[in-house]
Amino acid sequence: GIQVEQSPPDLILQEGANSTLRCNFSDSVNNLQWFHQNPWGQLINLFYIPSGTKQNGRLSATTVATERYSLLYISSSQTTDSGVYFCAVEGRGSTLGRLYFGRGTQLTVWP
Amino acid sequence: NAGVTQTPKFQVLKTGQSMTLQCAQDMNHEYMSWYRQDPGMGLRLIHYSVGAGITDQGEVPNGYNVSRSTTEDFPLRLLSAAPSQTSVYFCASSLQGAEPQHFGDGTRLSIL
Repeated sequence: GIQVEQSPPDLILQEGANSTLRCNFSDSVNNLQWFHQNPWGQLINLFYIPSGTKQNGRLSATTVATERYSLLYISSSQTTDSGVYFCAVEGRGSTLGRLYFGRGTQLTVWP
Repeated sequence: NAGVTQTPKFQVLKTGQSMTLQCAQDMNHEYMSWYRQDPGMGLRLIHYSVGAGITDQGEVPNGYNVSRSTTEDFPLRLLSAAPSQTSVYFCASSLQGAEPQHFGDGTRLSIL
C-alpha cells in the first residue's frame, strides 16, 4: 500500500499562533483529504485536495502531487483547533476507493 | 440527509462472542468502507465495497466479514471476537472513487 507520513507528530501552540502540518506520500494518488478528529472522536472533512491550493477561513491546504506532499496551514489558532489532524490519500488503479492514513498530528492550542 | 449512520455507538463483548456493526448511508454512494482506529495510529482499512454485491479486503481483514446486498447498507461482522479487536470502528462512503469520503461517528468496541 501507499505509505503516508505526517509531521510533526505533536504540536503545542499558544492561541493566535500560526502552524504548518506536513504530509508526505510514497506513490501517485488520485486524491488527498485532510481530516480533523475532534475530542469526541468525530472525523471532520477539512479539505479534498488532490492538487493545488484551497482555503477555508483560517485554514488552507496545498498539495504538490508531482512532489508527493501536502501542507495544511492553520492561522491565528484557537483552542477549538485542538485535536488530531489526519492526512489520507487514495491510490490509483487497484487501490481506487481505498484511503491510506498517516498517523496524524496531535495539535494542542493553549489559551 | 442523515449521512453515514453507525450503530451501536458503544459495545462491550466477551471473547468468542459474535456481533454485527451496522452502517447505513442515504446519499446513494457506491463506495463504502470499514476502518479501525487504534491508539496512536491512523485509520486502517478492513474491507471495502465499490457497489452492491462487490466487496474486497483491505489492510487488516482477518477476523471480519462483510457483505453488500444493498447500496445503502454495509454491515461488518465479527464472527468470534478477540481482545485484539478492541478498537474504534469507522464506516465511510463516497459517491465513487476519487471523491471525498464521508465518515460516520464511529463505534467504540471493547472485547474482554
